[in-house]
Amino acid sequence: SAVISQKPSRDICQRGTSLTIQCQVDSQVTMMFWYRQQPGQSLTLIATANQGSEATYESGFVIDKFPISRPNLTFSTLTVSNMSPEDSSIYLCSVPEASGTWDTQYFGPGTRLTVL
Amino acid sequence: AQTVTQSQPEMSVQEAETVTLSCTYDTSESDYYLFWYKQPPSRQMILVIRQEAYKQQNATENRFSVNFQKAAKSFSLKISDSQLGDAAMYFCAYFTGNTGKLIFGQGTTLQVKP
Repeated sequence: SAVISQKPSRDICQRGTSLTIQCQVDSQVTMMFWYRQQPGQSLTLIATANQGSEATYESGFVIDKFPISRPNLTFSTLTVSNMSPEDSSIYLCSVPEASGTWDTQYFGPGTRLTVL
Repeated sequence: AQTVTQSQPEMSVQEAETVTLSCTYDTSESDYYLFWYKQPPSRQMILVIRQEAYKQQNATENRFSVNFQKAAKSFSLKISDSQLGDAAMYFCAYFTGNTGKLIFGQGTTLQVKP
């Protein structure tokens, strides 16, 4: 499976500010996914990021709030904009298995965000 | 729309014993994949086991096995010889190529008692 790293691992931010989360993979992948995990909750898909095209957002998530960049096949960023305490969550990126089927996803360690 | 339901918010098991975590799902698809993921406290999400819906044989990975009942849309995880390191939140997840999305259940927190 791919080795996935995320930066920062955690952060505490003030409301109204923005935070950019980085996701780095050790192999080239076509698709990268961004998830949100609110405290004690399950994972919710925010968007799918394909290299060379606009990210596809899920219902309830918009580009102005969660802009995503995908400059190459090993890297992506998610920005949480104009943050409020409700944005306090763990944000995870994931990638599909590099070989074979793309149904299996592997996850990064997550970024734990606290908004005051 | 596909949904995944884990009806047990919390479970506990004595070390070395066996525990079964339940998962049901709803779908009209015939071709899909099911997964169990483990998320230890403050640690990375790990893939535990994968099941292809077209395979009747239940998947196994060492101490972890599943009971896949396609007609009943049930996908339970059995952990044998439970260890302290098995303590984590376990998520059941569903994937279909039609949507390309991984849909998660609410999670079950497993406590392992020494």
